[in-house]
Amino acid sequence: DQQVKQNSPSLSVQEGRISILNCDYTNSMFDYFLWYKKYPAEGPTFLISISSIKDKNEDGRFTVFLNKSAKHLSLHIVPSQPGDSAVYFCAASKMAGNNRKLIWGLGTSLAVNP
Amino acid sequence: GAGVSQSPSNKVTEKGKDVELRCDPISGHTALYWYRQSLGQGLEFLIYFQGNSAPDKSGLPSDRFSAERTGGSVSTLTIQRTQQEDSAVYLCASSFPNTAPAEAFFGQGTRLTVV
Repeated sequence: DQQVKQNSPSLSVQEGRISILNCDYTNSMFDYFLWYKKYPAEGPTFLISISSIKDKNEDGRFTVFLNKSAKHLSLHIVPSQPGDSAVYFCAASKMAGNNRKLIWGLGTSLAVNP
Repeated sequence: GAGVSQSPSNKVTEKGKDVELRCDPISGHTALYWYRQSLGQGLEFLIYFQGNSAPDKSGLPSDRFSAERTGGSVSTLTIQRTQQEDSAVYLCASSFPNTAPAEAFFGQGTRLTVV
């Protein structure tokens, strides 16, 4: 069963507009959520994260919102740029000693059109 | 280099053969993770190392899969008697212990194709 779900396989946005990528999770024990960006033939690179004790984290053009009651998080990119075109993965983690393994969604492919 | 290095980048092997995938983590990172991404799937956790020990092997899909780590550094993932369903991109990540998972850095992956 998929504990982290990204229900939109793809998203297309015009340059300069807002991109909103969504993620749902089922396990209430998750205490940390992350977004990774991945280009073809490269490993994932960390983008932004949020602890379960917060509901918003902002870093430049990227903002992550967490709604714990709905078990939902979203990534907002404003303004979107063509270089943002990539696959975005939502991931979640729960503390187990030093083990910080990640549970991943299937990804959303974002295309930002000039 | 300063990042996580994986080799080979690509590996094509015949069904039934054994393969070894290598990961060189960032120097000083004692935590090391292996993941794999099969076609059309998300990343799937395989195994976690802390130093040379593997307290979490829960993601290894079968006993054909094993991994070791030596000197608290290099790790090798071995797949014996490969099957076509083993075809995937195998990713390694490393981090310091007691850090948020955001601090894990990934290698570029090894694309394994079993024919």
